[in-house]
Amino acid sequence: QSALTQPASVSGSPGQSITISCTGTSSDVGGYDFVSWYQQHPGKAPKVLISEVSNRPSGVSSRFSGSKSGNTASLTISGLQAEDEADYYCSSFRSSSTLVVFGGGTKVTVL
Amino acid sequence: QVQLVQSGAEVKKPGASVKVSCKASGYTFTSQYMHWVRQAPGQGLEWMAMINPSNGDTFYAQKFQGRVTMTRDASTRAVYMELSSLRSDDAAVYYCASSITRYRQDYWGQGTLVTVSS
Repeated sequence: QSALTQPASVSGSPGQSITISCTGTSSDVGGYDFVSWYQQHPGKAPKVLISEVSNRPSGVSSRFSGSKSGNTASLTISGLQAEDEADYYCSSFRSSSTLVVFGGGTKVTVL
Repeated sequence: QVQLVQSGAEVKKPGASVKVSCKASGYTFTSQYMHWVRQAPGQGLEWMAMINPSNGDTFYAQKFQGRVTMTRDASTRAVYMELSSLRSDDAAVYYCASSITRYRQDYWGQGTLVTVSS
């Protein structure tokens, strides 16, 4: 089964806002509000940023926000900071023989 | 606080099996699902399997069905993932991750590097 589709890379200058898209189907992203976003720095384990499309767990900066429209979910990082340079992954519940599916990942570069 | 501590790196030959452990602390063991997610070198995350520690129910990604087995030992608060018939493309960092839901991973272990080489 194919992964969710994310852009390979997104870049922005400090202080700017960037948006990462995550496109699936009606069997995953479009059909359920069970989309999560993760941040992963090199050599580290992923960290959850967003759950259920737009919920931020305690301790996650308010600069991170999530949304969804149809089969596409989005993660927006506002006020981009150097520490935001990392890989970002979306995931979704999928109603099939695979319970959870991840996106291919997006590398965020702070210029 | 929730902590997941995984077993150390493994080197296996093609065709062998590997069993990775994940010891949980800081929460009621049976209250959170445990997932296994792997990441091949330079690649993205791939969800493999999940277990409900309260009753042992498992769910495996279709890709791994027949090769992966998840078990748990509530007495030691440990979850195990065994992957058999290893191939070179199984070389990856394997993460355990817990969550109160079946579709999200809130807390992650440190990862276990599995190398497959003849």
